[in-house]
Amino acid sequence: EAQVTQNPRYLITVTGKKLTVTCSQNMNHEYMSWYRQDPGLGLRQIYYSMNVEVTDKGDVPEGYKVSRKEKRNFPLILESPSPNQTSLYFCASSFTLPPRNTEAFFGQGTRLTVV
Amino acid sequence: DAKTTQPPSMDCAEGRAANLPCNHSTISGNEYVYWYRQIHSQGPQYIIHGLKNNETNEMASLIITEDRKSSTLILPHATLRDTAVYYCIVRVPHTGNQFYFGTGTSLTVIP
Repeated sequence: EAQVTQNPRYLITVTGKKLTVTCSQNMNHEYMSWYRQDPGLGLRQIYYSMNVEVTDKGDVPEGYKVSRKEKRNFPLILESPSPNQTSLYFCASSFTLPPRNTEAFFGQGTRLTVV
Repeated sequence: DAKTTQPPSMDCAEGRAANLPCNHSTISGNEYVYWYRQIHSQGPQYIIHGLKNNETNEMASLIITEDRKSSTLILPHATLRDTAVYYCIVRVPHTGNQFYFGTGTSLTVIP
């Protein structure tokens, strides 16, 4: 089954304790990205990756890091989490090269609380 | 930034067609219209997309006006499980451009 898998689904952590949210896709997609969703602000892109070893900032990258060492994985790293990073996070992936369809597939989300 | 305008909320009776409008008056010639929905904080789910011709799949139909400045997503026989927030997005495919989701339309299907 084609899917994007995020882990963990729920996480409560303390300020300053490094954490990693993993994202894996099994569709051989070139493009992967991370979004955060906050009430009233919709989904905002954090980072994206066009392919292995190619990453770039989205609209709200501050406080986050990513890496793309393998095509299927795109972890989101919070080196020193702060309470303003409490949010619902989504990973997404899609093809970018024609003639493939370019609809994005989203993971089920990670609800992060930083206290 | 989102380049689309959608009504914030709509109701639809169960079993009836739900028609969700979207305005995208500044759409450019190579931008497609995509529709996604999000059910109760789950990951957004792809529904359908199109360039200028009407499209239909097993989930919905997409009607795009001839001038491409607006479109309508049609769920032909709405069920309670279709209650969700629906997002209309314009995007150039095959570029890696992000999906700007905006605030969408909250559809409530009423029994």
